[in-house]
Amino acid sequence: SYVLTQPPSVSVAPGKTARITCGGDNIGSKSVHWYQQKPGQAPVLVIYSDYDRPSGIPERFSGSNSGNTATLTISRVEAGDEADYYCQVWDSSGGYVFGTGTKVTVL
Amino acid sequence: QVQLVQSGAEMKKPGDSVKVSCKASGYTFTGNYMHWVRQAPGQGLEWMGWINPDSGDTNYAQKFQGRVTMTRDTSISTAYMELSRLKSDDTAVYYCARDSSLVGLGFSPSNWFDPWGQGTLVTVSS
Repeated sequence: SYVLTQPPSVSVAPGKTARITCGGDNIGSKSVHWYQQKPGQAPVLVIYSDYDRPSGIPERFSGSNSGNTATLTISRVEAGDEADYYCQVWDSSGGYVFGTGTKVTVL
Repeated sequence: QVQLVQSGAEMKKPGDSVKVSCKASGYTFTGNYMHWVRQAPGQGLEWMGWINPDSGDTNYAQKFQGRVTMTRDTSISTAYMELSRLKSDDTAVYYCARDSSLVGLGFSPSNWFDPWGQGTLVTVSS
């Protein structure tokens, strides 16, 4: 089955840039979506189709996808961005797959 | 606004079944596929399957085949997920989530989930 690998944690100072990677075999050929999940809450879509932002999501959130790595970038990080982030794709072998998740800590 | 409201927490014993509901509002219920995703305590997200609320067609993840049943009641815009033969490692928060693609356009492998229900905690313990 298809596996998506994320770093377990990323730490970033307020105002700096956080980059969260999502690695998968030829993930660049797939459409990648990203979700933010704060403690005790349901996931919220922050990026869809590699780099598009839903309405209401700040421009500070951006995405890219190429080769074997997709990346979620959070610019000018704020305390409110502290959360777990998951990437997601669809794979013909096993359906919908989520990444292992990355905890973003704002220092 | 689009909203998914799920039923309350459940306590079950090993071997029991549980049925979780997800009531949709703010859009045409039969217009979008509905997914179910679960999250064990401290763990990541795991996709369980989807239902086409219009036709009732379903597609389950292989791991849950034979144990999960997804249904819907279009008269009350509600989707259901029933999991049988519960085990302790089925303890998790179960979420419903609306698919981004319209049923009328057919399945799309590029779709995403938005929004999600608030989640239903199912605890399995003897």
